[in-house]
Amino acid sequence: DTAVSQTPKYLVTQMGNDKSIKCEQNLGHDTMYWYKQDSKKFLKIMFSYNNKELIINETVPNRFSPKSPDKAHLNLHINSLELGDSAVYFCASSQDTQRGNEQFFGPGTRLTVL
Amino acid sequence: GDSVTQMEGPVTLSEEAFLTINCTYTATGYPSLFWYVQYPGEGLQLLLKATKADDKGSNKGFEATYRKETTSFHLEKGSVQVSDSAVYFCALSHTGGFKTIFGAGTRLFVKA
Repeated sequence: DTAVSQTPKYLVTQMGNDKSIKCEQNLGHDTMYWYKQDSKKFLKIMFSYNNKELIINETVPNRFSPKSPDKAHLNLHINSLELGDSAVYFCASSQDTQRGNEQFFGPGTRLTVL
Repeated sequence: GDSVTQMEGPVTLSEEAFLTINCTYTATGYPSLFWYVQYPGEGLQLLLKATKADDKGSNKGFEATYRKETTSFHLEKGSVQVSDSAVYFCALSHTGGFKTIFGAGTRLFVKA
């Protein structure tokens, strides 16, 4: 069973379009995240949700809007796509414990904006 | 704020060579420390972790020791394999913090 899944795996689209990426986790975790990884592999956190509440929003443009319908899902909608949005987007989840906050990552969605 | 600094790559080694990837951190309190590995075309996965000073995390032949006095968590492996070729990320998090700070990643190439 896949712990954290994302769809689609690849997304190729034109500038100005609107697109969504879906994420689901079956680990029973309370916290979910979206990360953006650039071509140099630098990983930047975008959003974090805990029990469906937004708790981290790292100066991401308003064109990006996360939505968490329930604890197991965190979707990412992007409006008016720009060339600079091309990257790999990772969803992750974690369960905060006294033993550290291990993150479980999805396989990633490679977004290419033409 | 908290930060993680790891050695720049790429690191290129021959099979069976010794590996060290340096990682130092700046943080308040007592964070947990992690190494994640990202194989080509995949998401990150936890390699090992340590939650308090002097703890040693180990997995798949890799080791790292939480050194509070030097604020370091260097990754080591005695004999690397071609299959270890990947990007390695050092990271820290605080209990209840809901945020993990990642280093910039170090790409490792292992030649046969």
